[in-house]
Amino acid sequence: SQTIHQWPATLVQPVGSPLSLECTVEGTSNPNLYWYRQAAGRGLQLLFYSVGIGQISSEVPQNLSASRPQDRQFILSSKKLLLSDSGFYLCAWSYRQDNSPLHFGNGTRLTVT
Amino acid sequence: AQSVAQPEDQVNVAEGNPLTVKCTYSVSGNPYLFWYVQYPNRGLQFLLKYITGDNLVKGSYGFEAEFNKSQTSFHLKKPSALVSDSALYFCAVRDPILTGGGNKLTFGTGTQLKVEL
Repeated sequence: SQTIHQWPATLVQPVGSPLSLECTVEGTSNPNLYWYRQAAGRGLQLLFYSVGIGQISSEVPQNLSASRPQDRQFILSSKKLLLSDSGFYLCAWSYRQDNSPLHFGNGTRLTVT
Repeated sequence: AQSVAQPEDQVNVAEGNPLTVKCTYSVSGNPYLFWYVQYPNRGLQFLLKYITGDNLVKGSYGFEAEFNKSQTSFHLKKPSALVSDSALYFCAVRDPILTGGGNKLTFGTGTQLKVEL
């Protein structure tokens, strides 16, 4: 069966520090990969998605970047965090078929102080 | 463009009573529709999806949803609510006419379900 791992679960970082969040998927090949952010309210905002190694699409201009160095690895990064980067970050994967649901990891709670 | 609306921020229901969580959508073509549940400090769990065919879709944990094309709705239902069903529920839509972009989903703002004894 497929599993998705996301770490760390919680993170407190000072403003201006770098960020690296990692997500890996097991049990499938060539997945689509996604990074979402959930603000303090509820809304889910798609940040990045990837349909293959090295292929990253950004949905919103921001302080963050994403990379996919391996087929089942997706990394969210920042060189200098802002207070507004605080939130709950969710990684997800799906099959390539367009009717495939997304499957989410357990998320990372990031607090920028 | 694709969008989805969940008109209720919160739904309260007594345990054992039926529950409904509402969702309406807007897409150019025929939609792919999904329901997810989120427990505190956890990721979203997939409950069910509608792609085509029977308008009543059955999913996990006894949940079902009814697709209504004329009303552009996809309401989540359960015949008998449990206290453990209390969670945040999200409706999501994808317009298959949109090309490229992986399988991006657009999510509603969520509905908090509270089931009380």
